[in-house]
Amino acid sequence: AQSVTQLDSHVSVSEGTPVLLRCNYSSSYSPSLFWYVQHPNKGLQLLLKYTSAATLVKGINGFEAEFKKSETSFHLTKPSAHMSDAAEYFCVVRYTGFQKLVFGTGTRLLVSP
Amino acid sequence: DGGITQSPKYLFRKEGQNVTLSCEQNLNHDAMYWYRQDPGQGLRLIYYSQIVNDFQKGDIAEGYSVSREKKESFPLTVTSAQKNPTAFYLCASSINAGQETQYFGPGTRLLVL
Repeated sequence: AQSVTQLDSHVSVSEGTPVLLRCNYSSSYSPSLFWYVQHPNKGLQLLLKYTSAATLVKGINGFEAEFKKSETSFHLTKPSAHMSDAAEYFCVVRYTGFQKLVFGTGTRLLVSP
Repeated sequence: DGGITQSPKYLFRKEGQNVTLSCEQNLNHDAMYWYRQDPGQGLRLIYYSQIVNDFQKGDIAEGYSVSREKKESFPLTVTSAQKNPTAFYLCASSINAGQETQYFGPGTRLLVL
C-alpha cells in the first residue's frame, strides 16, 4: 500500500538555526512528492514539489527538499529558521497511476526567539 | 482575485441535523476535492469530482454527500449519519484530475452542539 511517514510529530528550533523535517515514502511506484505548509486554522499552501526533474527542489520562503531514491526520502530543509515559519508541515505523495494524494500525519515546527 | 473560498469559517451542528459546507472556486479548475482533518492526523479524502455532474467516493465517504452541478461549486453535506463530524474540512481543486498540484481553500471548522 502507498504510504508516507513523517518521522517527527514536533520539531523545535531557535530562530536563525537550520530546519530539517523528515519524510519517507513507500517505494512501490515512482512518486510525485510535495511539501505543504498549514498555519493555524488556515488552508494548506504548496511549498514545493518534485516530479522527476532535478532531485533538489527549491520552494518558496527559502525552503528546499532533496529526493533520494535510494533512501526513499524527501526531507525538507531551510538554512535559517524565521519566527514566521512556525506552522504544521505535511509531506504528500502521489504515485504514478493513482489520482489520489497520500498525506503524512504532519510535523509541527516550533520556532523560539 | 482567483482562488478557493469556503464558507462558513465556523459551523455548528445540532444532533440529527444535516449541514452543508460551501466551496467555490474561480480558477476554472475541472477537479475538486473534499478532505477531513483531525488533530494529529493527515488529511483524509471524503469525495472528489473530476468534472461537472460526476463525483466519486474517497476513503471516508460514509455520512457525507456531495453534488457538482456547476464547475465552480462543490458543496459538501454532513448528514446525521456521520456520528463524529467534529473536524476541520478542507476543499481543494486542481486543473484536472491528472494534475497533481491541488490548491486549498481556508477551511471550515465544524463543531457539534
